[in-house]
Amino acid sequence: AQKVTQAQTEISVVEKEDVTLDCVYETRDTTYYLFWYKQPPSGELVFLIRRNSFDEQNEISGRYSWNFQKSTSSFNFTITASQVVDSAVYFCALKALSGGSNYKLTFGKGTLLTVNP
Amino acid sequence: EAQVTQNPRYLITVTGKKLTVTCSQNMNHEYMSWYRQDPGLGLRQIYYSMNVEVTDKGDVPEGYKVSRKEKRNFPLILESPSPNQTSLYFCASSLSGTVGYEQYFGPGTRLTVT
Repeated sequence: AQKVTQAQTEISVVEKEDVTLDCVYETRDTTYYLFWYKQPPSGELVFLIRRNSFDEQNEISGRYSWNFQKSTSSFNFTITASQVVDSAVYFCALKALSGGSNYKLTFGKGTLLTVNP
Repeated sequence: EAQVTQNPRYLITVTGKKLTVTCSQNMNHEYMSWYRQDPGLGLRQIYYSMNVEVTDKGDVPEGYKVSRKEKRNFPLILESPSPNQTSLYFCASSLSGTVGYEQYFGPGTRLTVT
């Protein structure tokens, strides 16, 4: 079985603060992918990043960065200099490709980020 | 424009009245899936389809049916809706289910069953 835990249910920050969203995953599979999705107040789900289990290189995209650590089964997401437009629910997700996972994308319960002006 | 479309976007219905939520993608994706989103529970998979005529249950399939007769369409059928199926539903597609491609999501359908 696979599981994704986002322990932070809600986070509130003031604009320009840095904020890190935590994601811890569980899987017995050696081949898997991790994802982050953003759900703004308008409701749609927007893909942010994909990372496979063989690539532990951290990634930076503008103000967004991701830290993947297999040793701690974590895939954390940091927003630098947060802005009001970053306010959204953020989901971490896991897809394992072996061991009978049925090709399922398992989501965490999400973290509601509110960035106040 | 590459997209996943769902219809209707909003629906209020009564218990027991059969309904269908349509989902269509124009990206020639093999894999399609339905999720429901409930407060505090995140997104849970209802059914998925690896390709035409190939469907399988997700985590919460009870009370739902699907079919995949064409590659682009993947309707979700509620034969006898009940109030516990009140939820926000998302359809998604990806290039393949056997590789770690990202899924593209439709805009969502908010269903209320009274």
